[in-house]
Amino acid sequence: SSELTQDPAVSVALGQTVRITCQGDSLRNYYANWYQQKPGQAPVLVFYGKTNRPSGIPDRFSGSSSVNTASLTITGAQAEDEADYYCSSRYGSGNHWVFGGGTKLAVL
Amino acid sequence: QVQLVESGGGVVQPGGSLRLSCAASGFIFSSYGMHWVRQAPGKGLEWVAFIRYDGSNKYYADSVKGRFTISRDNSKNTLYLQMNSLRLEDTTVYYCAKNGGDAFDFWGQGTMVTVSS
Repeated sequence: SSELTQDPAVSVALGQTVRITCQGDSLRNYYANWYQQKPGQAPVLVFYGKTNRPSGIPDRFSGSSSVNTASLTITGAQAEDEADYYCSSRYGSGNHWVFGGGTKLAVL
Repeated sequence: QVQLVESGGGVVQPGGSLRLSCAASGFIFSSYGMHWVRQAPGKGLEWVAFIRYDGSNKYYADSVKGRFTISRDNSKNTLYLQMNSLRLEDTTVYYCAKNGGDAFDFWGQGTMVTVSS
């Protein structure tokens, strides 16, 4: 299956920890990658592969995976983390990619 | 620093054609695969197409296969998307993105395509 499922919306209190999840069969074979998108802006890669955080991304962003579920954890959420978050992975033979439907994160 | 600048978007009638371009700088363009990703207004991201670093292989989402063609000119550091037989549902922002570590590691700012009669 080429589907990745995300919760449409999640909220977190300022300074608390939040986990955003992504579920799909492709995650049994491929790592998830995570993107942050703020209104009117292009997506930004915030975590990829098993343990990789791009340069410039705060270390409060981390990723994990188990079987067919991947998670992006924000430890100590900040107001600027309020955004849409998308997971993505390869699927099938590895020459196609799929995105989850996105999770809108509200920081309260 | 990596820069990706899309151009070529605009308004086109259903059934029409458009060619998008993505000018790349700040990295060795000829060493990296490149993607097109699109996003309808207020909707999620959809992967469209991928081309290997040397143009030897190209892959497409089912929604555009047979209508869209991805290509590149490594001598000009430019990625292209030729879009034919455009449909109303192709109305989206089109982003080019660099492939890195199996992720879309850098994105352009996008170019808007509107298919309307």
